[in-house]
Amino acid sequence: AQKITQTQPGMFVQEKEAVTLDCTYDTSDQSYGLFWYKQPSSGEMIFLIYQGSYDEQNATEGRYSLNFQKARKSANLVISASQLGDSAMYFCAMRAYSGAGSYQLTFGKGTKLSVIP
Amino acid sequence: GAGVSQSPRYKVAKRGQDVALRCDPISGHVSLFWYQQALGQGPEFLTYFQNEAQLDKSGLPSDRFFAERPEGSVSTLKIQRTQQEDSAVYLCASSRRGDTREQFFGPGTRLTVL
Repeated sequence: AQKITQTQPGMFVQEKEAVTLDCTYDTSDQSYGLFWYKQPSSGEMIFLIYQGSYDEQNATEGRYSLNFQKARKSANLVISASQLGDSAMYFCAMRAYSGAGSYQLTFGKGTKLSVIP
Repeated sequence: GAGVSQSPRYKVAKRGQDVALRCDPISGHVSLFWYQQALGQGPEFLTYFQNEAQLDKSGLPSDRFFAERPEGSVSTLKIQRTQQEDSAVYLCASSRRGDTREQFFGPGTRLTVL
């Protein structure tokens, strides 16, 4: 079974500063994918970044980067130059093959990020 | 459409009522997922369709939950005899294929059972 742990229920960051959101995972699979999603108050889940377990380099997408440490089973999200619009819930998720043709996502409990002007 | 749409956005039901939640995936997407998100929690997997075939329903919490996708496009999640613990946001997601990296999520349906 897969498990995602996000230990920070809430985080504050000053506008224009960088922030790191923590995520650790547990799986016995050798092949897996790690995701970060943003969920604003409107409710939709917005894909931010993806890291494959065999990817040698850390993923980056604009202001988002994923600090992947495979041996420690951590996949922290780094947001650089925070903006007010970054205030939202952030979820770390793992994609696992269920054996029934389904690549379902397993999510953590999320971290609420608040950007302070 | 441009994205995944869900209707209704909000639903209030009295305990014991049946409800039906609709998901319109992105056109051409083969895979469709339903997730349940309780207040203050991350989404939890309910069920998965590949075209019209329901390949995985391991996450459905009870036999009161039923999902269908008869023509391989629109999907309906039905909850019979709703209970208060069914109150949650129900999210639908679609992807081109089951193993495609990205799942595109809809805005969700917030169900409140009184």
